[in-house]
Amino acid sequence: DGGITQSPKYLFRKEGQNVTLSCEQNLNHDAMYWYRQDPGQGLRLIYYSQIVNDFQKGDIAEGYSVSREKKESFPLTVTSAQKNPTAFYLCASKGQETQYFGPGTRLLVL
Amino acid sequence: SQQGEEDPQALSIQEGENATMNCSYKTSINNLQWYRQNSGRGLVHLILIRSNEREKHSGRLRVTLDTSKKSSSLLITASRAADTASYFCATDASGGSYIPTFGRGTSLIVHP
Repeated sequence: DGGITQSPKYLFRKEGQNVTLSCEQNLNHDAMYWYRQDPGQGLRLIYYSQIVNDFQKGDIAEGYSVSREKKESFPLTVTSAQKNPTAFYLCASKGQETQYFGPGTRLLVL
Repeated sequence: SQQGEEDPQALSIQEGENATMNCSYKTSINNLQWYRQNSGRGLVHLILIRSNEREKHSGRLRVTLDTSKKSSSLLITASRAADTASYFCATDASGGSYIPTFGRGTSLIVHP
């Protein structure tokens, strides 16, 4: 899983609650990404950031928000507007040519 | 937008056999990469092949790229039970920011 950490490993969300998933990297990479993976599916891009203090929406950004205040950190908030948040969330950073992925956070709804 | 699509969706073989999975994509690319994902884990990069390359090897892995057909194949030779995982291709389209798109993956089961 390279030098990327994600926490927590499991996260439970109550209805109407916002939750934040942590992603930290010590690889000195500029670009970072958040993906959502549903069972038996590929990865869908939520948000990405090419540089500190800048980020762009991906294909499925609705109901999610991010910040990129530090190069090492790219937290993802799943807001109450995301009606179907149950999924496996993967964070990645980009090296010279390839992406390095964290171990993932599984989000479950209570 | 999901550009790469792997085929087959699932593959079940015996240890020692070869496993071949394919990836098709739609637009011009700079490179194509294969990743592996063990159940409930993050993706691990396996191999990258550039658009001007036709074949690449890494250990028991062999990747081919046919840009005229917009397709790639990943061959795992002499498979082992530990190769059981999902395999994804990711394409980096030509031009613009690096935003790779992933297919749905091939689920490989290698029986001991």
